[in-house]
Amino acid sequence: GEDVEQSLFLSVREGDSSVINCTYTDSSSTYLYWYKQEPGAGLQLLTYIFSNMDMKQDQRLTVLLNKKDKHLSLRIADTQTGDSAIYFCAESINSGYALNFGKGTSLLVTP
Amino acid sequence: NAGVTQTPKFRVLKTGQSMTLLCAQDMNHEYMYWYRQDPGMGLRLIHYSVGEGTTAKGEVPDGYNVSRLKKQNFLLGLESAAPSQTSVYFCASSHLRESNEQYFGPGTRLTVT
Repeated sequence: GEDVEQSLFLSVREGDSSVINCTYTDSSSTYLYWYKQEPGAGLQLLTYIFSNMDMKQDQRLTVLLNKKDKHLSLRIADTQTGDSAIYFCAESINSGYALNFGKGTSLLVTP
Repeated sequence: NAGVTQTPKFRVLKTGQSMTLLCAQDMNHEYMYWYRQDPGMGLRLIHYSVGEGTTAKGEVPDGYNVSRLKKQNFLLGLESAAPSQTSVYFCASSHLRESNEQYFGPGTRLTVT
């Protein structure tokens, strides 16, 4: 499928906020997702947002959706060293079964 | 409740050998998927299943076969392994619902020499 675009790398200091950005491809995508992958592990679903929403908050995580620009972001408040991981943005594909993933953003949190 | 499990965790094959990767889920999910993850790339869908006894091709199905004989299991087979199939393989499952949140297993790291 077409590419879901993410920046490859982000470095933040512990305690700061992190913002990971994503541009998706399919304007008809109904759901958009954020997954976290720690080294040597599978993907963990963090949160998802329905396309008729523009914001969703879940504890330290805030998802913003700009449907007009097909832009999705994940903000992590008070970033901790345990948040260091690769974060994947994904969109639901028109067929409704598969997800189209970005290449992932590697987040490094430094003390 | 183990979620999604995969066996084996690691495997090394020689070119031309065959093997089967097993995925099991205990969440009574209808849908199951096999993805591969290569360095610097996102996940690409190999095959998926929308129910027991059904399978369908994904984005990169060539060289792989799958079977879903039981609802809880989804098998991925490589009949004649090639070095290009060196990858990390992830299984996922989801409920039959619009939001389609997929839950992933821990992965199988396969090296083909």
